[in-house]
Amino acid sequence: SAVISQKPSRDICQRGTSLTIQCQVDSQVTMMFWYRQQPGQSLTLIATANQGSEATYESGFVIDKFPISRPNLTFSTLTVSNMSPEDSSIYLCSAEKQGLQETQYFGPGTRLLVL
Amino acid sequence: EDKVVQSPLSLVVHEGDTVTLNCSYEVTNFRSLLWYKQEKKAPTFLFMLTSSGIEKKSGRLSSILDKKELFSILNITATQTGDSAIYLCALPKGGGSEKLVFGKGTKLTVNP
Repeated sequence: SAVISQKPSRDICQRGTSLTIQCQVDSQVTMMFWYRQQPGQSLTLIATANQGSEATYESGFVIDKFPISRPNLTFSTLTVSNMSPEDSSIYLCSAEKQGLQETQYFGPGTRLLVL
Repeated sequence: EDKVVQSPLSLVVHEGDTVTLNCSYEVTNFRSLLWYKQEKKAPTFLFMLTSSGIEKKSGRLSSILDKKELFSILNITATQTGDSAIYLCALPKGGGSEKLVFGKGTKLTVNP
């Protein structure tokens, strides 16, 4: 399995500001993803973080709102830009390790509250 | 459109009870079905199922897949309060993607 860490684990932010969440994996992985889980809801995929190129966004999510970086095979960041209270959610990164296809492991999540 | 439906959405039982959680799905080019347990924030991986009729077991938890009827069940025997969590079922999207589509989850509460 892959061990994934995220930071911050939680934050309270003011509307209109931006927050960058970091995701670190303990070994090289082929795929990294970012999910959002709004209160009482299941996980929704935001985007696939592509190493060395622009992220691939799901319908309803755009780069200007959720810029993503993935400079190497073990690290990615998600920025939540110009936040509003509707962005209050848990944000989770996941990774799929090379050789263990389709078993995604999740980071501990970042709980974000926007006031 | 790929779809994952879990039932029940919530369940309250007493310690020692046995529970069965259900996951039905519609996905093109099925490859696998995954079960996760989510207690606070992070979903933790439980099982990956790829073949029909082969039970996967880990302690008091077991799961089986029926690819003909397009569903899976997750059984928990002799439940404990520590089993209280949301149980999520997920499948890779069709078309060869590694992206997962999740069900809404079953919230299990085990009372002492």
